[in-house]
Amino acid sequence: GAVVSQHPSWVICKSGTSVKIECRSLDFQATTMFWYRQFPKQSLMLMATSNEGSKATYEQGVEKDKFLINHASLTLSTLTVTSAHPEDSSFYICSVSSYNEQFFGPGTRLTVL
Amino acid sequence: GDSVTQMEGPVTLSEEAFLTINCTYTATGYPSLFWYVQYPGEGLQLLLKATKADDKGSNKGFEATYRKETTSFHLEKGSVQVSDSAVYFCALSRGNEKLTFGTGTRLTIIP
Repeated sequence: GAVVSQHPSWVICKSGTSVKIECRSLDFQATTMFWYRQFPKQSLMLMATSNEGSKATYEQGVEKDKFLINHASLTLSTLTVTSAHPEDSSFYICSVSSYNEQFFGPGTRLTVL
Repeated sequence: GDSVTQMEGPVTLSEEAFLTINCTYTATGYPSLFWYVQYPGEGLQLLLKATKADDKGSNKGFEATYRKETTSFHLEKGSVQVSDSAVYFCALSRGNEKLTFGTGTRLTIIP
């Protein structure tokens, strides 16, 4: 299966700053990647579908101007949390779609102070 | 809309005990059903799946049967090991690659 990495694995930032999270497909050219958010003791919630070379498709209730997604190449998608606030603190996970199966990255823990 | 309900944890068992983690779903049509496992510090990994009614998915001693009549996909293992300690997620997909997850069940196996 596909190997997926995320960077950074954890980040702490001040309220009002922006944070970029990278998702890389190390051994597979991914036209589609997914971004999820996971709250403590809760399920993974799909935020958006990232398509290489086109705009991301956001799920209902997810602010596209708040969570900027760029899928500039077949191996890299980035999620930028703009003007982060404490309520944005969460665990962000990406996945790569390959042959109708999803392969997940290890996640990025974001803490906004 | 689609939803997945799985038993709340945490679940703590002794080694070699029998494991059942319940999962039921709500979805129109015939979704595919999955169990994912997340070991500490790692990403989610597909454990097993079933794509149609009465299919049984199995892997690493774990099994789950797609029961259309009860809309269930319960995860079972006959004899758990310490290495099975992880968080288990039940999920469904209706063919469009989007996954709907349950809340996850944390399993701890004590020697």
